[in-house]
Amino acid sequence: GAGVSQSPSNKVTEKGKDVELRCDPISGHTALYWYRQSLGQGLEFLIYFQGNSAPDKSGLPSDRFSAERTGGSVSTLTIQRTQQEDSAVYLCASSLKRNGGELFFGEGSRLTVL
Amino acid sequence: QKEVEQDPGPLSVPEGAIVSLNCTYSNSAFQYFMWYRQYSRKGPELLMYTYSSGNKEDGRFTAQVDKSSKYISLFIRDSQPSDSATYLCAMRSGGGADGLTFGKGTHLIIQP
Repeated sequence: GAGVSQSPSNKVTEKGKDVELRCDPISGHTALYWYRQSLGQGLEFLIYFQGNSAPDKSGLPSDRFSAERTGGSVSTLTIQRTQQEDSAVYLCASSLKRNGGELFFGEGSRLTVL
Repeated sequence: QKEVEQDPGPLSVPEGAIVSLNCTYSNSAFQYFMWYRQYSRKGPELLMYTYSSGNKEDGRFTAQVDKSSKYISLFIRDSQPSDSATYLCAMRSGGGADGLTFGKGTHLIIQP
């Protein structure tokens, strides 16, 4: 596709369950970012992948959160033992290069934890 | 004090009015300044990108950066109902977008 694709667009889960959110970046983009957007809050950086380098995990809020990027393309964000405060929109973005590259965002995955 | 402050609004103005959106920040190392527009249930999209102080104009949009006051603005002339969205400012000191800090966004409503 032409843009960043995220799935699922909506996910409702019960507290304590694990969820996986998927991001398919724009073809050729080496940098991939995950952000979280909670109601009334700005975008919170979670994790960043650049090529084959080790990811920058400095934004992950707890060890329940993890992400991987396979083959330098598709990425999966996993939240284990979900809590109600994990409810938010999870946005993925990609860019052609790390420095000065414009971020292209997907439409997000809206997670609701009951 | 948060690094980037932005009034969440909502800001409601009549069609055709000039809109002024603003952010203040505390980190003097910020050099790159951006405005993103986010429609409801969509991802943000880059609207304006400015380096250091000064003005940048693109059609009906003008971005201003005043580093001495740590204050950035986005002006929208001849506002249209289609401009109704949330506008997020973002900024970074350098390097990659992993250092990008976003404001909370201002919800703008243009009344027809």
